[in-house]
Amino acid sequence: GESVGLHLPTLSVQEGDNSIINCAYSNSASDYFIWYKQESGKGPQFIIDIRSNMDKRQGQRVTVLLNKTVKHLSLQIAATQPGDSAVYFCAERGNQGGKLIFGQGTELSVKP
Amino acid sequence: EPEVTQTPSHQVTQMGQEVILRCVPISNHLYFYWYRQILGQKVEFLVSFYNNEISEKSEIFDDQFSVERPDGSNFTLKIRSTKLEDSAMYFCASSPPTLGSYEQYFGPGTRLTVT
Repeated sequence: GESVGLHLPTLSVQEGDNSIINCAYSNSASDYFIWYKQESGKGPQFIIDIRSNMDKRQGQRVTVLLNKTVKHLSLQIAATQPGDSAVYFCAERGNQGGKLIFGQGTELSVKP
Repeated sequence: EPEVTQTPSHQVTQMGQEVILRCVPISNHLYFYWYRQILGQKVEFLVSFYNNEISEKSEIFDDQFSVERPDGSNFTLKIRSTKLEDSAMYFCASSPPTLGSYEQYFGPGTRLTVT
């Protein structure tokens, strides 16, 4: 079936530490994955994406890793800052039509 | 930087009333979406729209829902007879026409409260 889920609902880290947010997906045919950040009262904000023909992609302070063997996706945030506090969602592209299927979300809390 | 805008930011309505949620996608985008998020839950796909017609819709998007692109800039979601369970944040999103670009840009959302 189509479902994307997250392992942990909350994650608390110390400012300056690295954060790792995990995601499991079930549709092995998915070809595109994306991480969004959602701050309170706002819409999802694009962080980084990755296609299924890649296993790693880096952005500014963020890295996404894709393990197709175990259908696992992770978001790594380097030197986490208080401004990184938000809910993070992974999503997969459901089909050729482009709809995104979102996971439950992980709330990241950064302690100063 | 261009962004998706939505109005109103908050809509309160009585059960059974019709509501129209409005979105202005990014100007050169051709793919449009509506999603909803019930408080504390994940974002759920409602409908996608391309070339003036619905591309795909979810089970949530029943006969009470409709979408329209009345002009070259607006994209609307109408709920004909609201139910209590329609209370949620509704997000509009759009995607560029770039081949192979799947990123969707989301608006700030409209909080719909049905009483």
